[in-house]
Amino acid sequence: QSGLTQPASVSGSPGQSITISCAGTSSDVGSYNLVSWYQQHPGKAPKLMIYEVSKRPSGVSNRFSGSRSGNTASLTISGLQAEDEADYYCCSYAGSNTWVFGGGTKLTVL
Amino acid sequence: QLQLLESGPGLVKPSETLSLTCSVSGGSISSSSYYWGWIRQPPGKGLEWIGSIYYSGSTYYNPSLKSRVTIFVDTSKNQFSLKLSSVTAADTAVYFCARQFSSGWPPAYFDYWGQGTLVTVSS
Repeated sequence: QSGLTQPASVSGSPGQSITISCAGTSSDVGSYNLVSWYQQHPGKAPKLMIYEVSKRPSGVSNRFSGSRSGNTASLTISGLQAEDEADYYCCSYAGSNTWVFGGGTKLTVL
Repeated sequence: QLQLLESGPGLVKPSETLSLTCSVSGGSISSSSYYWGWIRQPPGKGLEWIGSIYYSGSTYYNPSLKSRVTIFVDTSKNQFSLKLSSVTAADTAVYFCARQFSSGWPPAYFDYWGQGTLVTVSS
């Protein structure tokens, strides 16, 4: 079981859109509609932002969207705001009763 | 509002066993719609799933930790607990407990998290 691969960092200016990728394999991201994304501010617990690839929990801004192509999932944040600056993690069911996280991506709002 | 609160020693000696408990309030740990998980985060690093448990006692562990991990549930106290044996400095991390929503198998996502508790392994 290997971790999912995310870019270490991404950045964007306020109002712009950014996309964070999450590369997995045909054994995890590519096989199950069970990709979720979490936002984590420093010193805080992770917060669910996207579940089941592209669904948004109640209360999460519609500026956040998720998608998947093959073995790679993506999180897109449109209309970047200063408060979006945080670490983002993807997570996927990996089969055999296991779950795997990505290494995390630090988003900087310039 | 559901709340999860981790508790346990903040300092554990190498080779000893780390023990943490997650107390759940505002909801029942015996609900059929949820599993309950432990996730950890070493300082400055990413998240790692440790394991999950159902209220019936069924457990699922990260293969890389399986030989050292035990997760168990106490429905009468609305709590679930983690034991990690033979700890080393590499087990130093913030440990989070979380609720895992399930509309079937497998559970889908972690929707509520505790605040986390830092456990340092040091003599």
